[in-house]
Amino acid sequence: QQPVQSPQAVILREGEDAVINCSSSKALYSVHWYRQKHGEAPVFLMILLKGGEQKGHEKISASFNEKKQQSSLYLTASQLSYSGTYFCGTEVNSGYALNFGKGTSLLVTP
Amino acid sequence: DVKVTQSSRYLVKRTGEKVFLECVQDMDHENMFWYRQDPGLGLRLIYFSYDVKMKEKGDIPEGYSVSREKKERFSLILESASTNQTSMYLCASSWGPAPNQPQHFGDGTRLSIL
Repeated sequence: QQPVQSPQAVILREGEDAVINCSSSKALYSVHWYRQKHGEAPVFLMILLKGGEQKGHEKISASFNEKKQQSSLYLTASQLSYSGTYFCGTEVNSGYALNFGKGTSLLVTP
Repeated sequence: DVKVTQSSRYLVKRTGEKVFLECVQDMDHENMFWYRQDPGLGLRLIYFSYDVKMKEKGDIPEGYSVSREKKERFSLILESASTNQTSMYLCASSWGPAPNQPQHFGDGTRLSIL
């Protein structure tokens, strides 16, 4: 079942922060985050496993609240290079296939 | 670095044709996936494979089939192409058999069915 991402789109000025949320109606085993720049392939950012773990990647970090079946991606002090569409992919069972959300379009302006 | 190569970046075919989309990965990954990406709908899983000659249906398998005769190659087949299959198709691979592995994507094939 497709997870729900919010917001659908966000515009930031360089240096501002943003939060992207990903919610599922089913219990999750893990959550993946990917970023896709226009005309390019999605690129893996990080995986969070159930257990409430928070991970970081440069100034991008994420949390996973398994009780709420929700993950949040935090972009701190955004840079122009952060622009793109962010997708969460959720894993319901310990298997191999992901259900991806519809994506959140992020635009960082000078 | 993992390299996932899709045979065509752009492809134009006619309604009713049998269409083959090819994907090759060079990292000896067990798992391979086919997605279609449409504006506002995100990535939707068509089929995936966790081993040679093994395949599993994803969320939208209707009108598609797949073939995995060799570990490095995963083909998506449109048996009789229709205009509603015009889309961006993305192939991905991941290391197996362990779960929770990152997926590595190809650059995509933009397919137009006329």
